[in-house]
Amino acid sequence: KNEVEQSPQNLTAQEGEFITINCSYSVGISALHWLQQHPGGGIVSLFMLSSGKKKHGRLIATINIQEKHSSLHITASHPRDSAVYICAVPMNYGGSQGNLIFGKGTKLSVKP
Amino acid sequence: DAGVIQSPRHEVTEMGQEVTLRCKPISGHDYLFWYRQTMMRGLELLIYFNNNVPIDDSGMPEDRFSAKMPNASFSTLKIQPSEPRDSAVYFCASSLGGGSEQFFGPGTRLTVL
Repeated sequence: KNEVEQSPQNLTAQEGEFITINCSYSVGISALHWLQQHPGGGIVSLFMLSSGKKKHGRLIATINIQEKHSSLHITASHPRDSAVYICAVPMNYGGSQGNLIFGKGTKLSVKP
Repeated sequence: DAGVIQSPRHEVTEMGQEVTLRCKPISGHDYLFWYRQTMMRGLELLIYFNNNVPIDDSGMPEDRFSAKMPNASFSTLKIQPSEPRDSAVYFCASSLGGGSEQFFGPGTRLTVL
């Protein structure tokens, strides 16, 4: 069974700073998900990636399958980026890829 | 499309009462997931369906929890009888394909007194 570790748990940054959130997992996977949970509670899928790098606006996600590690980067951070960022991977290698297990999340607060 | 729809958005009930949470997935999606989120345990998968058939219910905590998907556009999660430790936010999500991006509903915040 996969295990997911995220770091840091909490992160406070000044507007404009470059942000990095890390995710490590224990069992091989085919894809990793990054989710964003807004202060109001809604959850949005940011990325699903299985190799290399993906970019969407100021957000960049990278994954190293060999090292079982992924990072989420935010460039030129803004107060509206304040949210909880959650990493998720399939629970079992070779099993259903929809059966996800989630990290505890990283709470990001960006100060103006 | 309106996205994944959940109802009610908030539910307050007393211990021992039956609670029914509802979910309408995005039209055309063939996978539906029920999650529970608490401060202590974070997000946890309870059960998921593929083409209306339950595939994995190993996350359902107890027999007090049951879920159904009578058709492709509707699913329910029932707790009977409810207990204070069931208080949490319950999310429904759907996807096209099991390993694809999941779209989450707004959640139902359940409080059991």
